[in-house]
Amino acid sequence: NAGVTQTPKFRILKIGQSMTLQCAQDMNHNYMYWYRQDPGMGLKLIYYSVGAGITDKGEVPNGYNVSRSTTEDFPLRLELAAPSQTSVYFCASSYGEWGVEDSPLHFGNGTRLTVT
Amino acid sequence: AQSVTQPDIHITVSEGASLELRCNYSYGATPYLFWYVQSPGQGLQLLLKYFSGDTLVQGIKGFEAEFKRSQSSFNLRKPSVHWSDAAEYFCAVGMNDMRFGAGTRLTVKP
Repeated sequence: NAGVTQTPKFRILKIGQSMTLQCAQDMNHNYMYWYRQDPGMGLKLIYYSVGAGITDKGEVPNGYNVSRSTTEDFPLRLELAAPSQTSVYFCASSYGEWGVEDSPLHFGNGTRLTVT
Repeated sequence: AQSVTQPDIHITVSEGASLELRCNYSYGATPYLFWYVQSPGQGLQLLLKYFSGDTLVQGIKGFEAEFKRSQSSFNLRKPSVHWSDAAEYFCAVGMNDMRFGAGTRLTVKP
């Protein structure tokens, strides 16, 4: 009963490097989301997906890319890391849209990323 | 503009005392309302939600929240706080997307 699994848990990047944050869910959820969490700012939506092959921008998409080739996986790509991308990244999934009705958001445990 | 506000950044209560965490929203219509809790190093977990009907909703871990349309508020309450309730609490609203407040960190004194 894994739920939402994020890897890695921690990562330090140098400015300009690239990396992919992995997210996988085993609940057959159609909806998947990427949020970033900064102190005192709550969670901001980066990208979301309503199903395999369909993605859309959230509130803060600049500097990130996503893909959704399968229902299970929703990786987040940073192409040219910048210090402003230092944050904790959370992946979430839900059966229904935006976790409404009887389908809350299920969150992974997060990836703490530092860009120096 | 649509927004979610949690006025209190940090609250400290004694174990056994009552708790109220505030949440206000600004939306054109009544959105779906949620409270999530985040323990250190963990993701967020849903405590409770309001969609319609009874304005007092019960959640897990002994929490409840009351929706007040006239005040655009959805405050979270617990009659008696336990040390294990120390965490960060997020109010969230869903309409065409899901927006989170900035969070309230709860410290519980022995």
